This record gives sequence, C-alpha cells and structure tokens, in this order.
Amino acid sequence: QSALTQPASVSGSPGQSITISCTGTSSDVGFYNLVSWYQQHPGTAPKFMIYEVNKRPSGVSNRFSGSKSGNTASLTISGLQAEDEADYYCCSYAGSSTFVFGGGTKLTVL
Amino acid sequence: QVQLVQSGAEVKKPGASVKVSCKASGYTFTGHYMHWVRQAPGQGLEWMGWINPNSGDTKYAQNFQGRVTMTGDTSNSTAYMELSRLTSDDTAVYYCARDRRWGSSSDAFDIWGQGTMVTVSS
Repeated sequence: QSALTQPASVSGSPGQSITISCTGTSSDVGFYNLVSWYQQHPGTAPKFMIYEVNKRPSGVSNRFSGSKSGNTASLTISGLQAEDEADYYCCSYAGSSTFVFGGGTKLTVL
Repeated sequence: QVQLVQSGAEVKKPGASVKVSCKASGYTFTGHYMHWVRQAPGQGLEWMGWINPNSGDTKYAQNFQGRVTMTGDTSNSTAYMELSRLTSDDTAVYYCARDRRWGSSSDAFDIWGQGTMVTVSS
C-alpha cells in the first residue's frame, strides 16, 4: 500500500485561506468516503481534525473544512492564524480493514 | 478525561524486540479498537495495525506482518504493541490511537497517546 500524496509544503498569510491536497487511488480515497485529517505541532502527538471527508469533531474550529473529488481529498483552512502552523496528514481507509496515511504537508504561516 | 498514556522511551539493539504499552482511561477500553501508528524521525505517519480489545482480533499492515504482535489486557485497560527483529529503520516514535467509533473500526483516530520513542542502535 503506497502512501497518499500530499504537497511537501504550503504557505499563506494570516487571514488567508489555504488548501492541502491528498491524492490516492480508486482503491482508497476514490472508493471510500473515509478520509480523515490530523494536525501535528512539533514534538506533539497528532490531533484529530476531520473525519468522513468533511465532518468536524466537536471542538475543532469551523475554519477547517474537508472535501473530496475523485481520488483527491482536500483540507481547507480559512482565516489562517499563526497557531495553524503545523504539519498536516491525511489518512484514508484502504479496504480490508487497513489504512494509509499521506506523507504530510508542512504549513507555514507567513 | 479520556486519555492514553504510553510507556517510556526504549533503546534496543538490532535484532531485539520491544514492547510498548498504552494504558487507557476515561472510557470503556473494550468499546473502541486501538490502532498503532509510528513516525520515524523527520518523517510522516505510518499505520501499523489495530486490535479489537473486546475480542482480541487484530489486523496488521502488510509491512509489519510476521514482526508485530498487538495484544490487550482488559483487566487493566492496557494495549500492547510488540515489534521483533528490530533494525535501525525501526527507530521511531510509536503512538497508540483510539478508533473514534464504538465497536468497530472506522476511518479516524480521535485520541492519541503521547508517543514512545524507540531507538535501535548497536
């Protein structure tokens, strides 16, 4: 199972919106609406941000939203804030009770 | 509150095994699958597998088949991940992460342990 493809880095200024893509295949992202996203600050454990493509768990800001088109899922962060600077990972169900992560994207807030 | 507390850092020699523990509190341990995810230094997350603490059923990622064993002790709400035949490539932070759904595996991991650093070095 190959890792999902994410851009290595993205950047944006405070207040702007950015989108991070996550490309898989027709066997994972494209087949199942089971994509989740995680935020990870340096030296800490990942934090659960999005599930089932576009649902936010309680406590996550509505500035974070998810979507999917074909084999590509996306995470959009609107109204960028300094504290959003972190690494972001997508994860997809890949069938047969297995999961696959993306390689991660470093978000820099300029 | 709901939390997962993992065991401390380990240093192992190549060829050895390591066993990491993950103690759950604040929820019914047998109600949620437990996943294990690792992260090599400066690298991304890698899913290793899950255990259903209620039944003991497991599912391992192909990359770890034959080398990893996940178990659970319901008497003390603790999950374990043992990795054998260690090499330097296994140097990583190992996380346990609770599946968000009750009673089955879903698509997301809502509670994470703090991570356990495992260093493999001769």
